[in-house]
Amino acid sequence: AQSVTQLGSHVSVSEGALVLLRCNYSSSVPPYLFWYVQYPNQGLQLLLKYTTGATLVKGINGFEAEFKKSETSFHLTKPSAHMSDAAEYFCAVMGSGGYQKVTFGTGTKLQVIP
Amino acid sequence: EAGVVQSPRYKIIEKKQPVAFWCNPISGHNTLYWYRQNLGQGPELLIRYENEEAVDDSQLPKDRFSAERLKGVDSTLKIQPAELGDSAVYLCASEPLTGGRGTQYFGPGTRLLVL
Repeated sequence: AQSVTQLGSHVSVSEGALVLLRCNYSSSVPPYLFWYVQYPNQGLQLLLKYTTGATLVKGINGFEAEFKKSETSFHLTKPSAHMSDAAEYFCAVMGSGGYQKVTFGTGTKLQVIP
Repeated sequence: EAGVVQSPRYKIIEKKQPVAFWCNPISGHNTLYWYRQNLGQGPELLIRYENEEAVDDSQLPKDRFSAERLKGVDSTLKIQPAELGDSAVYLCASEPLTGGRGTQYFGPGTRLLVL
């Protein structure tokens, strides 16, 4: 079974400041990890994903995440927040073997203060 | 390419009434998912289709929920009768056969309010 925990349901940052959204996972098999973004009244959009290989993953809109197996973490970062980054972010995990469903976290709402 | 299309976008019904949601996935995507997203929560899987076959419906409350994907393309999710607790956003997502497992493309969702 897999699960994710997102620390902080709401995060506020100033425009231009570092964005750090935390995600810890639990998985009985090597995981695939994802970050999705959801803008108001829209569906989820994939930001980035980790499957195998390089542990630092770069995604769209300047976001990146690092898979740290020893810490069971997959935190999402962006060096400089933009107003357009205000949205809800979901971390998700899927087991790598056979069919495994994707399990989503409860989400972190990012507010960007001008 | 067109994204995942869902209709209606919003639906308000009284409890005990039936309701249906429709989804048209991205062309060529074999896998289709229905999720329910409660307020302040992440999406929770209801059912997954591979073509027209429901391969994972373990989370679908079968006493009142049903789904179909008859020709392996578009899909309908039905609730009958609806209960107050069914108020949520119902999301449809599709996944291509190639391009990475778990990479799902979501529609905008149907926001259901049961009064």
